[in-house]
Amino acid sequence: GAGVSQTPSNKVTEKGKYVELRCDPISGHTALYWYRQSLGQGPEFLIYFQGTGAADDSGLPNDRFFAVRPEGSVSTLKIQRTERGDSAVYLCASSVLAGDTGELFFGEGSRLTVL
Amino acid sequence: GNSVTQMEGPVTLSEEAFLTINCTYTATGYPSLFWYVQYPGEGLQLLLKATKADDKGSNKGFEATYRKETTSFHLEKGSVQVSDSAVYFCALTPNTGNQFYFGTGTSLTVIP
Repeated sequence: GAGVSQTPSNKVTEKGKYVELRCDPISGHTALYWYRQSLGQGPEFLIYFQGTGAADDSGLPNDRFFAVRPEGSVSTLKIQRTERGDSAVYLCASSVLAGDTGELFFGEGSRLTVL
Repeated sequence: GNSVTQMEGPVTLSEEAFLTINCTYTATGYPSLFWYVQYPGEGLQLLLKATKADDKGSNKGFEATYRKETTSFHLEKGSVQVSDSAVYFCALTPNTGNQFYFGTGTSLTVIP
């Protein structure tokens, strides 16, 4: 498709389980971002990729969170030993260039619920 | 540090009313400023932007002016429509990195 695609759209899991969230950016976009949005809050930065490498992972809350982008396109956000506080909508966005002050294109998000 | 503070909602207006959603920011350096909108069931999308002081961003009848002296980027529209019902997010990027900082969002409902 033409836009940023995220799967799954909804994920319900139990505390302690492992979760993977996938993002397929717009073709040709070199920059990819992960954000987390909790209820009533704005998107909170997690990690940013330029190509295959994580250029800035300062927003990852702890070492249970990890993200990869092995071929510079699709990215996977991985959460180990999930906790109830991880429940949120995880947003992926892409843009044409790194550090471009133009537009971020967002997916519709993956809603994670940890029971 | 970098942060965005925007007017809390929810905001409910009648169709054709005037809209203002306040946004102020704190930033290092000279940020670019944005308004993003999230319509029901959709992802965030860029509404307008301004990259330097005194610039005015505009789109779909919405406007916002980058005011460095008041560190503000208030969103305005002269006559809202039902289709403008959405959540509006003010955001900045400091241009020294790749992070975008978002406000908490303001929910707007326009009633016929």
